Amino acid sequence: DTGVSQDPRHKITKRGQNVTFRCDPISEHNRLYWYRQTLGQGPEFLTYFQNEAQLEKSRLLSDRFSAERPKGSFSTLEIQRTEQGDSAMYLCASSAYGYTFGSGTRLTVV
Amino acid sequence: SQQGEEDPQALSIQEGENATMNCSYKTSINNLQWYRQNSGRGLVHLILIRSNEREKHSGRLRVTLDTSKKSSSLLITASRAADTASYFCATVPNSGNTPLVFGKGTRLSVIA
Repeated sequence: DTGVSQDPRHKITKRGQNVTFRCDPISEHNRLYWYRQTLGQGPEFLTYFQNEAQLEKSRLLSDRFSAERPKGSFSTLEIQRTEQGDSAMYLCASSAYGYTFGSGTRLTVV
Repeated sequence: SQQGEEDPQALSIQEGENATMNCSYKTSINNLQWYRQNSGRGLVHLILIRSNEREKHSGRLRVTLDTSKKSSSLLITASRAADTASYFCATVPNSGNTPLVFGKGTRLSVIA
């Protein structure tokens, strides 16, 4: 287990389609975070889990976004009816004490 | 929302020079962390400084924290072309188990 893995690395989708991203955290880490980053900006918090419980959601997370972490292991982030404004890098991180980030999934909505 | 503001937004220096980046934040914190991000990649944790610490070193990195001014600085000494990246400060607020809040970052270019 060498770190946090995110899949896919890149996703191009047409507006209106649904997309799902996966994050595999470091196995001993009980907390998992999703962030979104647009060009030239810092990462913005979306949501986080402690084990399988989703403890906090940002106001950025509209009704079209849903995240799950079944069994407290990997997590998925789904965006329904994608819009061009959803184009961004989606970053996942896990932590026990310090944060370890994955390489991100770059989403482009055309 | 983003709590921190890094200054400058962009910095260009010659290899061998020192680079200083500053970060200001708004609320009381438990700790402040600095991250590095190469273009289009994930973030790499560089250093963490707790609210009761004033200075910390790690290799060529030196971080200071002034909680009275709600500010921090990151100094990279003897910069190398490979240090070219964006640098972000991120804070853990004191208000319970809240996640990291990032600033907008400083884009550092080190010219060989």
